[in-house]
Amino acid sequence: GAGVSQSPSNKVTEKGKDVELRCDPISGHTALYWYRQSLGQGLEFLIYFQGNSAPDKSGLPSDRFSAERTGGSVSTLTIQRTQQEDSAVYLCASSWTGKWNTEAFFGQGTRLTVV
Amino acid sequence: AQKITQTQPGMFVQEKEAVTLDCTYDTSDQSYGLFWYKQPSSGEMIFLIYQGSYDEQNATEGRYSLNFQKARKSANLVISASQLGDSAMYFCAMREGRTGNQFYFGTGTSLTVIP
Repeated sequence: GAGVSQSPSNKVTEKGKDVELRCDPISGHTALYWYRQSLGQGLEFLIYFQGNSAPDKSGLPSDRFSAERTGGSVSTLTIQRTQQEDSAVYLCASSWTGKWNTEAFFGQGTRLTVV
Repeated sequence: AQKITQTQPGMFVQEKEAVTLDCTYDTSDQSYGLFWYKQPSSGEMIFLIYQGSYDEQNATEGRYSLNFQKARKSANLVISASQLGDSAMYFCAMREGRTGNQFYFGTGTSLTVIP
């Protein structure tokens, strides 16, 4: 497809387990973002990748969270030792450039439930 | 201070009427972009409209227009001829030129279109 693709759509995991969330951005988009949306809340910035530059990790809530982007394309968000407060929808977005005048396109999100 | 403020948690509008969703922003950058996104109950974030800080004309995209008042730092979304399918959450967002690493989102406005 032509849009941002995220997998899985839903993930239920036990507290303490590690999870990996995947994002396939739109082909050719150099910028990639991860956001988290808790139930009924706004969007919380997690991490930003732009080309080959060092990622902006300023939004990661703890060292249990990490992300990588391989080959400037696919990105994986990893949460180690999941906690119940990690339950949320994780949204990935990509944009053509990292410039301020460029819109981002979002995937459908991964709904993570930690039980 | 909040970068983006949306003061209307919920709004109702009669079908076929116009509605304005408020958004104010806070930045000291000269270059910035303002964006509106729609999030239906399905969860995906849909890009609606963009306004750049240097744009002198208000942006329009079909039934969507952005009422940009730079001196007041407001970027209100106007939806004309509301349709039942417009019922959704609407988020205002900003991207700054100086950093540009992330989109700052407001807390959203829930719009309900009444038949």
